[in-house]
Amino acid sequence: AQKITQTQPGMFVQEKEAVTLDCTYDTSDPSYGLFWYKQPSSGEMIFLIYQGSYDQQNATEGRYSLNFQKARKSANLVISASQLGDSAMYFCAMREADNNAGNMLTFGGGTRLMVKP
Amino acid sequence: EAQVTQNPRYLITVTGKKLTVTCSQNMNHEYMSWYRQDPGLGLRQIYYSMNVEVTDKGDVPEGYKVSRKEKRNFPLILESPSPNQTSLYFCASSPTSSRADTQYFGPGTRLTVL
Repeated sequence: AQKITQTQPGMFVQEKEAVTLDCTYDTSDPSYGLFWYKQPSSGEMIFLIYQGSYDQQNATEGRYSLNFQKARKSANLVISASQLGDSAMYFCAMREADNNAGNMLTFGGGTRLMVKP
Repeated sequence: EAQVTQNPRYLITVTGKKLTVTCSQNMNHEYMSWYRQDPGLGLRQIYYSMNVEVTDKGDVPEGYKVSRKEKRNFPLILESPSPNQTSLYFCASSPTSSRADTQYFGPGTRLTVL
């Protein structure tokens, strides 16, 4: 079974509007971390935001916020006031505390976001 | 500047010709790992290292070797590259293997094996 599911292969958003990128995850581990990365067309992976499984509040980093719903196992990324430079692939990833695999990051399939001027 | 560097950034080679992709981090991180990214398959871990002289296989280790003789360096070695190893490769590091630690990625190495 997929551990990280991103159901939106591609999305459009109008410049200056907010957009939500969906991510659901599957784990039986009570302790885990959730991460979002951005991959522009140039190829690098840029860390955006982190949410710990025990964090009581949703994480925020500038225009990025994470809508964390633990019971539903979802960790959606919200980008406010979209900019043209936000056009990129976005990956949700999870790091479990003890997955017997060196605590590697497990990635979703990604969502391609396109910001329209 | 805190960073993970990889070299080369682009490489075209031929089947069977041994190659090494270097990875270095200047953040004194204990944990380092290699991933490959392929269309439709996403990012998959090849090898990881918890610390110096401690390495282990990830999800897709076949055809690759690594070493961790120094804390800052974690080279990826392809002894006999094959076309199915054509991919985008990323090195990443984090302070420890903790689930709370962010992995920071290098710029990527785009490898083509003919």
